Amino acid sequence: EAQVTQNPRYLITVTGKKLTVTCSQNMNHEYMSWYRQDPGLGLRQIYYSMNVEVTDKGDVPEGYKVSRKEKRNFPLILESPSPNQTSLYFCASSFQGGTFEAFFGQGTRLTVV
Amino acid sequence: EDKVVQSPLSLVVHEGDTVTLNCSYEVTNFRSLLWYKQEKKAPTFLFMLTSSGIEKKSGRLSSILDKKELFSILNITATQTGDSAVYLCAGGSGAGSYQLTFGKGTKLSVIP
Repeated sequence: EAQVTQNPRYLITVTGKKLTVTCSQNMNHEYMSWYRQDPGLGLRQIYYSMNVEVTDKGDVPEGYKVSRKEKRNFPLILESPSPNQTSLYFCASSFQGGTFEAFFGQGTRLTVV
Repeated sequence: EDKVVQSPLSLVVHEGDTVTLNCSYEVTNFRSLLWYKQEKKAPTFLFMLTSSGIEKKSGRLSSILDKKELFSILNITATQTGDSAVYLCAGGSGAGSYQLTFGKGTKLSVIP
């Protein structure tokens, strides 16, 4: 089954404690991206990757890091989480960015206290 | 800066009603307009439109794109309670970052 898998689905952590949210896709997609979704603000892109070893900032990259060492995986790293990073996070993949349908993971609800 | 604006932001209708959701966009190197339905968590894909004036249809849902006026509409006929969701519109760029820029969504509530 074609899917994007994120883990964990829910996470509560404390300010400053480094965390990683994993994302994996099995569709051989080149383009992967991370979004955060906040009430009243919609989905905003954090980082994206057009291919292995190629990543770039989206609209709200501050406080986040990503890596793309393999085509299928695109982890999101919060080196020092802060309460303003409390949000619902989605990983998505597509054949080629905005020209093709994006498939979304199930989401990670992150709370930073 | 790319921008996608959806209207209305929320809508309450009765079962059986027909609804029209609106989406206007300003996207650099525009390539596609996508509609998603978001119920509990992950957005699920509905339509992708790239050509102006050609209606895409799936059951009771249909959508059309006007590239001259830079907008799209999503129609839902004979609404059911299962149509209750947030409907997201996104403009896709075909160059540069190839980004999808999302609108804030329209929250549709269908009451029996």
